[in-house]
Amino acid sequence: GENVEQHPSTLSVQEGDSAVIKCTYSDSASNYFPWYKQELGKRPQLIIDIRSNVGEKKDQRIAVTLNKTAKHFSLHITETQPEDSAVYFCAASRDAGGTSYGKLTFGQGTILTVHP
Amino acid sequence: DTGVSQDPRHKITKRGQNVTFRCDPISEHNRLYWYRQTLGQGPEFLTYFQNEAQLEKSRLLSDRFSAERPKGSFSTLEIQRTEQGDSAMYLCASSLGSVIASANYGYTFGSGTRLTVV
Repeated sequence: GENVEQHPSTLSVQEGDSAVIKCTYSDSASNYFPWYKQELGKRPQLIIDIRSNVGEKKDQRIAVTLNKTAKHFSLHITETQPEDSAVYFCAASRDAGGTSYGKLTFGQGTILTVHP
Repeated sequence: DTGVSQDPRHKITKRGQNVTFRCDPISEHNRLYWYRQTLGQGPEFLTYFQNEAQLEKSRLLSDRFSAERPKGSFSTLEIQRTEQGDSAMYLCASSLGSVIASANYGYTFGSGTRLTVV
């Protein structure tokens, strides 16, 4: 089955700096890669996603890049703010049509702390 | 319908007791997933429904666990003879999708049910 590794496990930055979180996956058939933000005691929330036919996607201060050959993808947050502090999870899945039916396999999470 | 609802939010039970959790997905979402999350870890897949059909179960889901989604709407997750190792946050998520469609859509998670087995 799919295995997703996420690094670093903790990341501390100063407000205004950039933050980068990296993930690798094992299943070459995976083609959908979302990122979730989870604040303490709250539900994971989708912040951005990318499909394998795209190499990069941006949404304001957040961007995700994908390298299918190397089987890794990264989350980039620019101009970080204290409210960006949370746990971030990457995930990977196949589209339906195989046996996984869109099941997401999550990374272990990265605790991001943005210091004012 | 503003999101995925889970009930209860918290459950404390004695070891050996049975517990049941409920999830109400977003009404137009046909896919429903159950995940388990322990402290400091990412969510781990438990099981998945496409409408009322349970299409996949994780090996994490022992025979003490059972899930249903009658009529393809709400879902229940039951844990029988609870053990301390079952203590975790149980998350439900829903999404749009089709068995034959090629597109995957992001999940919407519920707030979860935090289970504590004492």
